Amino acid sequence: RKEVEQDPGPFNVPEGATVAFNCTYSNSASQSFFWYRQDCRKEPKLLMSVYSSGNEDGRFTAQLNRASQYISLLIRDSKLSDSATYLCVVIVRTNQFYFGTGTSLTVIP
Amino acid sequence: GAVVSQHPSWVICKSGTSVKIECRSLDFQATTMFWYRQFPKQSLMLMATSNEGSKATYEQGVEKDKFLINHASLTLSTLTVTSAHPEDSSFYICSAYSSGASSYEQYFGPGTRLTVT
Repeated sequence: RKEVEQDPGPFNVPEGATVAFNCTYSNSASQSFFWYRQDCRKEPKLLMSVYSSGNEDGRFTAQLNRASQYISLLIRDSKLSDSATYLCVVIVRTNQFYFGTGTSLTVIP
Repeated sequence: GAVVSQHPSWVICKSGTSVKIECRSLDFQATTMFWYRQFPKQSLMLMATSNEGSKATYEQGVEKDKFLINHASLTLSTLTVTSAHPEDSSFYICSAYSSGASSYEQYFGPGTRLTVT
């Protein structure tokens, strides 16, 4: 079983739509969780950390469900500029980082 | 945030030659660096984990004799693709992490696009 499984996508949504991605993780000892964004031909950049209490940054909301072992990313009021690949990252312990396969999002005018 | 650089950003080489890619943490000490490879329209694939002053740990299926990794200082790791072949053409990305940091955030380099002809 993979350490991290991510929604396969791709997601094609109209501008203004709300879209959500999930990642499930297998190791209950996982400590930290992140969402990264990767634009085509560029390196991944940190979008936001994911906390047990959930966190929000503008139109983006990240949540962690430890009981069901998944993290989610919600994007509200999608913009064209949100088109990218979104990667979840799960850290089990120091030096043990696991990436999801990425979910491609295309926001359509 | 912290800055990680990679050099070169783009390289074309002939089949059979070796290529060295440098990854530098510019404003922090990176106790650990990771090397990834990404083929078009695919996700990042971790190749190896490099700890300063020790041998790299390679992921299953990655040939350690072909992809030589050296992490001689806290700010520099190098990846050498030896005897490159066209199938090694890919986007190579490094990331750096500091064990002294308060979070586990990885800082990614801008990537190196390798084309082997």
